[in-house]
Amino acid sequence: NAGVTQTPKFRILKIGQSMTLQCTQDMNHNYMYWYRQDPGMGLKLIYYSVGAGITDKGEVPNGYNVSRSTTEDFPLRLELAAPSQTSVYFCASSTQTGGWTDTQYFGPGTRLTVL
Amino acid sequence: DQQVKQNSPSLSVQEGRISILNCDYTNSMFDYFLWYKKYPAEGPTFLISISSIKDKNEDGRFTVFLNKSAKHLSLHIVPSQPGDSAVYFCAAMRNTPLVFGKGTRLSVIA
Repeated sequence: NAGVTQTPKFRILKIGQSMTLQCTQDMNHNYMYWYRQDPGMGLKLIYYSVGAGITDKGEVPNGYNVSRSTTEDFPLRLELAAPSQTSVYFCASSTQTGGWTDTQYFGPGTRLTVL
Repeated sequence: DQQVKQNSPSLSVQEGRISILNCDYTNSMFDYFLWYKKYPAEGPTFLISISSIKDKNEDGRFTVFLNKSAKHLSLHIVPSQPGDSAVYFCAAMRNTPLVFGKGTRLSVIA
C-alpha cells in the first residue's frame, strides 16, 4: 500500500540547472497537486491536475512546469533552478469520487536546495 | 494577503491536558475546513474536517469547533499525548484548492 511516492528525497542543484521531481500515486485518484513549503510557512500550491491531460496553475507556478500523461504520475519540472526555489516540495492526491472536498493524501516530500 | 491565519507559531502543553490550536480566516466564502498534522520529514496527514453547516465535529480525542460569525475555528485535543507533538496546519476551501495556514508547532511535554 504505497500511497503517494516522491523521488528523490533530497537534491542539491546549482543555479541554472534543471531537474524533474517525480510523483506517483497508486490509489487511482483523479486529482493531484504539487505544493512547496518554505521554512515557517504554510503549503503553497504550485500546480494541480484534475485528471490525465489536464493541468492548471496554482498560487506560485512561476519557474515550474507540469504534465499529466497518466492517472498515476504527475512530475514537476524546474527548468532554470534559482535559490528562491529552495524548499520542500510535496505531492498530493485526492480521491476519485470527489472534487475539492475529498481528503488529500500527501507524499513524504522532496527537500531541494539550490546553491 | 493571508486568507488563513494561525497566529501562534508554537504551543507547549503538559501531557494529559487539553491542547487548543486556533485558526482565523478572512474569506467568508470558505465552506469547508480541515486540519492536517505533520511530523518532521513526513508529508502532512489529514486529521479532521468540518463543513460550514456544522459548528462542531468530533473524532476520538480531536474536536474541531467552527464559529462562522467570528471566522474562527479551533482544534481541541483531549487528553494531549506526547505522540501529538507535531505541526498542525489549518486549511480552508470553497470549490477551490485548499488554502493553508502557516502551521502551529505543538509540543506535548511528558
